[in-house]
Amino acid sequence: EVQLVQSGAEVNEPGESLKISCKGSAYNFTNYWIGWVRQMPGKGLEWMGIIYPGDSDTRYSPSFRGQVTISVDKSISTAYLQWSSLKASDTAMYYCARVAVAGTWYFDFWGQGTLVTVSS
Amino acid sequence: DIVMTQSPDSLAVSLGERATINCKSSQSVLYSFNNKNYLAWYQQKPGQPPKLLIYWASIRESGVPDRFSGSGSGTDFTLTISSLQAEDVAIYYCQQYYSTPGTFGQGTKLEIK
Repeated sequence: EVQLVQSGAEVNEPGESLKISCKGSAYNFTNYWIGWVRQMPGKGLEWMGIIYPGDSDTRYSPSFRGQVTISVDKSISTAYLQWSSLKASDTAMYYCARVAVAGTWYFDFWGQGTLVTVSS
Repeated sequence: DIVMTQSPDSLAVSLGERATINCKSSQSVLYSFNNKNYLAWYQQKPGQPPKLLIYWASIRESGVPDRFSGSGSGTDFTLTISSLQAEDVAIYYCQQYYSTPGTFGQGTKLEIK
């Protein structure tokens, strides 16, 4: 069964750096795009960006470009989302998800989510 | 970016009755070369990640009950639940994947009347 398992909840202070992870299993990780989706408290879903593990080709939403970095280590089937300097407004649930079919950007499998809380 | 607008924002329907959620895109998501609408629907229950229900506007994902159906083309789409069950209480999102970023609608909260 396809699974995406995300790293655990984080509590950080403003200005700190952070990297969260998403490990895929039971499918050929290299051949499927992986995306990140933000959900702020009580709000809807926001498409942040996607990465292709095969060659690390990355596409960002203009809203998130320069704010986060998406990366991947295909040798361990893991995608990452990182911040160099967190802000309180980064407090949210972050989901990774697998793009169902190359050339489309809808998601068929989702991770359980990583809650990031940024507070002093 | 393509803007996705859902209506209504919330909806209360009696058990066994039909629920209808609408989604409108700011530009067509119908790709002429393959005649496919690049539109998906998701269901999100409290404390859970979203779940894919429908893709290509009308194709049910494997395992999704047939009371869920999607329709529409171009810029106007509909998710219909033919006979509402208690377990269908959730927030429903549409998403276009015609272009990046693959924007979502704001969500429609479905409750039992």
